Amino acid sequence: AQTVTQSQPEMSVQEAETVTLSCTYDTSESDYYLFWYKQPPSRQMILVIRQEAYKQQNATENRFSVNFQKAAKSFSLKISDSQLGDAAMYFCAYMMDSGAGSYQLTFGKGTKLSVIP
Amino acid sequence: KAGVTQTPRYLIKTRGQQVTLSCSPISGHRSVSWYQQTPGQGLQFLFEYFSETQRNKGNFPGRFSGRQFSNSRSEMNVSTLELGDSALYLCASSARGLNTEAFFGQGTRLTVV
Repeated sequence: AQTVTQSQPEMSVQEAETVTLSCTYDTSESDYYLFWYKQPPSRQMILVIRQEAYKQQNATENRFSVNFQKAAKSFSLKISDSQLGDAAMYFCAYMMDSGAGSYQLTFGKGTKLSVIP
Repeated sequence: KAGVTQTPRYLIKTRGQQVTLSCSPISGHRSVSWYQQTPGQGLQFLFEYFSETQRNKGNFPGRFSGRQFSNSRSEMNVSTLELGDSALYLCASSARGLNTEAFFGQGTRLTVV
């Protein structure tokens, strides 16, 4: 079974600084997607960034970037120039085709990020 | 365009009762997935529906069921509620496919007393 591990339950960062959230996963599949979702207190899950497994180039979305190490099964999220609005739970997630064209997300336990003014 | 709408937002039920939660996906999205979120277990996949058919089911007892209508709206039902069913239930809609984004609703907070 696929598993996603986030080893940092909580992290904090000073406003305007950079922080990196860690994620590792376990899979025997070769074709899959990886995601980082943000869940603020409003509970709305918001997609931050996604990475296709067959692409070696790391994905970047404005202040958010990932370090994808496929062989090591590692997928970390770097947030640059942290802002107060970045404070939230961050979930790493994995998606693959479960068969018959069905897809499901497998989530890590999450990392609670606090941003200090 | 309108996002994913889940109703109700909050629900309090008594043990043994049953409950039905509703999810209206983004217009044009035909895939709806349900997830249960608890502090202890995190986010767990319940099931996925596409074209009114359940395509995949997570490791949950038969008390958890769902369905999808021809307009892609989905409902999930939990019968004989237990205290452990208290959770945030999230619905996600997508256009389907490995490279498509799943859009989440704000969830239904179910409390079983």
